[in-house]
Amino acid sequence: DVKVTQSSRYLVKRTGEKVFLECVQDMDHENMFWYRQDPGLGLRLIYFSYDVKMKEKGDIPEGYSVSREKKERFSLILESASTNQTSMYLCASSLGGRGEQYFGPGTRLTVT
Amino acid sequence: AQSVAQPEDQVNVAEGNPLTVKCTYSVSGNPYLFWYVQYPNRGLQFLLKYITGDNLVKGSYGFEAEFNKSQTSFHLKKPSALVSDSALYFCAVRVHSGNTPLVFGKGTRLSVIA
Repeated sequence: DVKVTQSSRYLVKRTGEKVFLECVQDMDHENMFWYRQDPGLGLRLIYFSYDVKMKEKGDIPEGYSVSREKKERFSLILESASTNQTSMYLCASSLGGRGEQYFGPGTRLTVT
Repeated sequence: AQSVAQPEDQVNVAEGNPLTVKCTYSVSGNPYLFWYVQYPNRGLQFLLKYITGDNLVKGSYGFEAEFNKSQTSFHLKKPSALVSDSALYFCAVRVHSGNTPLVFGKGTRLSVIA
C-alpha cells in the first residue's frame, strides 16, 4: 500500500514564526501536492511538484514556499505564520498520468 | 479551466436506503473523475475513478458512480447506506491531457441515520 506520512498531526505556532511541514511518500511517486482544507471551501491547492527541485504554484501560493530536494520528500514552508494560515494541511502524491492521488493524514495547524 | 460542483452541502439518508451524492464537472477535453471520502480528523481516502470505458464504475465499500457525458455528471451511489458511511465526500476532476493536479469540489457531508 502507498503510504504518505506527515511530520505532525497537530501543531501550534505563534504569529511570525517560520513553520515547516514535512511530507514523505514511500512509493516512488513523481508528483507531490500540498493542499489546505477549510470548512465550506473544500481543498485548495497551494503548491505542487512534478519532479525533484521542480515546483509549480497552485491556486493560493501567497505566504507559502516549498522545497523538494529528494523525490520522496516535499516540504511546505510558512515563512512568517499568520492567524489566517490556521487550517488543515494535506499532502498527497501520485504516479502521474491517470493515477489517483494518495493523501497523508493531515496536519492541523493553529497559529496564535 | 476545470471545475467541480457538489450542489449539496449535506445529504441525510436513513440506514438501509439508497444514497446518492451529486457531482457535476466542467473541463475542456475528456475528464478523469474521482471520488474520495474523509472521516473525521483523517486524510482523504480514494474510493473510485473513471478514466475511460464502462460508464458505471465500482469502487470500495460497495460504492459506485455513473459517468454521464451529456449531463457532465459523476454521481456517487450506494444501494443500501450504512451508519459507518457517514463522512465527508469529495468529487475531483482532471483533464486527460497533461499532468495537471486534481481539482476538488467543496465536499458533501453524508449523514446516515439509524
